[in-house]
Amino acid sequence: GAVVSQHPSWVICKSGTSVKIECRSLDFQATTMFWYRQFPKQSLMLMATSNEGSKATYEQGVEKDKFLINHASLTLSTLTVTSAHPEDSSFYICSAPTGDTQYFGPGTRLTVL
Amino acid sequence: AQSVSQHNHHVILSEAASLELGCNYSYGGTVNLFWYVQYPGQHLQLLLKYFSGDPLVKGIKGFEAEFIKSKFSFNLRKPSVQWSDTAEYFCAVNGPLSGGYNKLIFGAGTRLAVHP
Repeated sequence: GAVVSQHPSWVICKSGTSVKIECRSLDFQATTMFWYRQFPKQSLMLMATSNEGSKATYEQGVEKDKFLINHASLTLSTLTVTSAHPEDSSFYICSAPTGDTQYFGPGTRLTVL
Repeated sequence: AQSVSQHNHHVILSEAASLELGCNYSYGGTVNLFWYVQYPGQHLQLLLKYFSGDPLVKGIKGFEAEFIKSKFSFNLRKPSVQWSDTAEYFCAVNGPLSGGYNKLIFGAGTRLAVHP
C-alpha cells in the first residue's frame, strides 16, 4: 500500500516557540492532505485540509493563525504550531488520499513544556 | 453534519472469543464506510472499507463488516480473536455531509484488549 511519513515522530519544545511537522507521501502524489489531532484515548479530530497550491481549509474552532499549513509540493505538507502552549500538546496525524483510500502517517507527538 | 457513533468504548475478550464492534452513522445519503485499526505505538491501518455492492465486506486479518442501510450501521466482526488483535478500532465515514468524499469523520474508537 501507499506510504505516508511524518517527521519528527516526537518533539518537545518550550512554551512560546514554534514547531514544524512534515508530512510526506512517499510513493504517490497528493493534491490534498489532511491534518488530525488525537488526544489521549480519544478519536481523531480533523483540523484542516491542506491543498497543494492554495490555502488550507480549517475546521470550525481551529485557529488558522496558530496552526499554519503549507502544501509546498504534491508530496509534502507542513503543519507549523506557532507560539506553542502546553494545551497544544497532542498527537498530530496527517493523511493523504490515493484512489479511494486514505493513508495515514505514523503521527507526531508534541509536548510543550 | 455527519457523525459516527461507536457504542463500545472498551471491550475485553479472551482469545478465541467472537468479536462484534458497533458503528452507527448519521443519515447522509450515499456514504463510504471504513474500519481502521491502530495497534499500540503504530499508525492507523485500513482494515476494510465499503463503497457499494455486497454489504458484507471482508478485510484483512480475518475481519469482516456488514453494512445495514436501514440501521445506518457498519458493525465489525471477527469470529475468533487473537491476543495480537489488541488495539484500538475506529469506524469512519465520508460522504456529502462529511465535507466531501475525501474527508473522513471518525468515531470515538473502541479499545479492544484480548487476554491469552
